[in-house]
Amino acid sequence: EAGVTQSPTHLIKTRGQQATLRCSPISGHTSVYWYQQALGLGLQFLLWYDEGEERNRGNFPPRFSGRQFPNYSSELNVNALELEDSALYLCASSLRGEGANVLTFGAGSRLTVL
Amino acid sequence: AQSVAQPEDQVNVAEGNPLTVKCTYSVSGNPYLFWYVQYPNRGLQFLLKYITGDNLVKGSYGFEAEFNKSQTSFHLKKPSALVSDSALYFCAVRAHNYGQNFVFGPGTRLSVLP
Repeated sequence: EAGVTQSPTHLIKTRGQQATLRCSPISGHTSVYWYQQALGLGLQFLLWYDEGEERNRGNFPPRFSGRQFPNYSSELNVNALELEDSALYLCASSLRGEGANVLTFGAGSRLTVL
Repeated sequence: AQSVAQPEDQVNVAEGNPLTVKCTYSVSGNPYLFWYVQYPNRGLQFLLKYITGDNLVKGSYGFEAEFNKSQTSFHLKKPSALVSDSALYFCAVRAHNYGQNFVFGPGTRLSVLP
């Protein structure tokens, strides 16, 4: 069974540009979560999609947005990139987002903003 | 609001000695509690979870954790540490109510010295 796959692995952008990160969940998983892991800051919750809808959103500005497609894959968009957006972006999937379902993480997409 | 604290940034232990990585949490109502491990340049891997019932939970790679409701703690333990256990460990909490996302602690770096 394939795990959670994220692309691209690495992405280099300059300030003001836009970045798009993609995530394919484990087959059968309908919930997708996005986290930002910046150096020294742990995991910061960005977005949660479940059955195609946004269920919850972390304390990030509106230039962080995303969507979930009918096949449950997901896309994270970051507009007007700033230097502090440089981080590892982790996607995780789970069975429908209730209760004690375990998150399965991808390896992450490392975004560098110059 | 949910929150997780991991009071130690770094834990050093000699190989063969017991290890403890501490976690305390704050959540409204009953919690679901999790431990994840992150190896360098990898996503997070699930270790164990507490849902209900027995306060001592056993997980992967010989790890276990003890839920203490009165102290709102969920410390990770292992009787005999291995050098290969060296990694970044994250505690996470989720409230039982639907719509609540996973909240992660800041992480604790475990170094097992040969």
